[in-house]
Amino acid sequence: DTAVSQTPKYLVTQMGNDKSIKCEQNLGHDTMYWYKQDSKKFLKIMFSYNNKELIINETVPNRFSPKSPDKAHLNLHINSLELGDSAVYFCASGWRGGGETQYFGPGTRLLVL
Amino acid sequence: GQNIDQPTEMTATEGAIVQINCTYQTSGFNGLFWYQQHAGEAPTFLSYNVLDGLEEKGRFSSFLSRSKGYSYLLLKELQMKDSASYLCAVRDRGYSTLTFGKGTMLLVSP
Repeated sequence: DTAVSQTPKYLVTQMGNDKSIKCEQNLGHDTMYWYKQDSKKFLKIMFSYNNKELIINETVPNRFSPKSPDKAHLNLHINSLELGDSAVYFCASGWRGGGETQYFGPGTRLLVL
Repeated sequence: GQNIDQPTEMTATEGAIVQINCTYQTSGFNGLFWYQQHAGEAPTFLSYNVLDGLEEKGRFSSFLSRSKGYSYLLLKELQMKDSASYLCAVRDRGYSTLTFGKGTMLLVSP
């Protein structure tokens, strides 16, 4: 069974479009995260949700809007896509209190043309 | 905030031992993690240190000195499949967010 899953795995789209990425975890964790990994492979936190509540919102354009319908799901909607949004987006889940590590999904490779 | 520094690239030979260093400055510390990331794949967890000292897991060991803001990942008996990027990450006290270094690309040659 896949612990953290994301769809789609690949996303190619035109500038200006709106797209969504979905994430689901079956580990029972209370916290989910979105990370962005740019072309230089630098992995950076974007958002964090704890029990459906937004707790971390780093300096990310407001074209990016996360939504958590329940604690097992965290989706990412991106409006008016720009060339610079091209990256790999990783979802992860873990426990807010610490303890064990975070587990990462397989990533969504977004290419904006 | 967090500031994490690790070498950009390292090379080593199959069967050898390699040590990847990581230094950090943090405003709140709740653990240091090492992840392995192969090209085109997700980061996978290797090791975790929250107290000073050495943690050993098979061919991989990780060391932490909190007073020095320093950690290293030691890989023994290197194999070709160990060629990957190794990411050092620090977890904060508040929301358990991970801040990653820029990764060390390790190339293992025959």
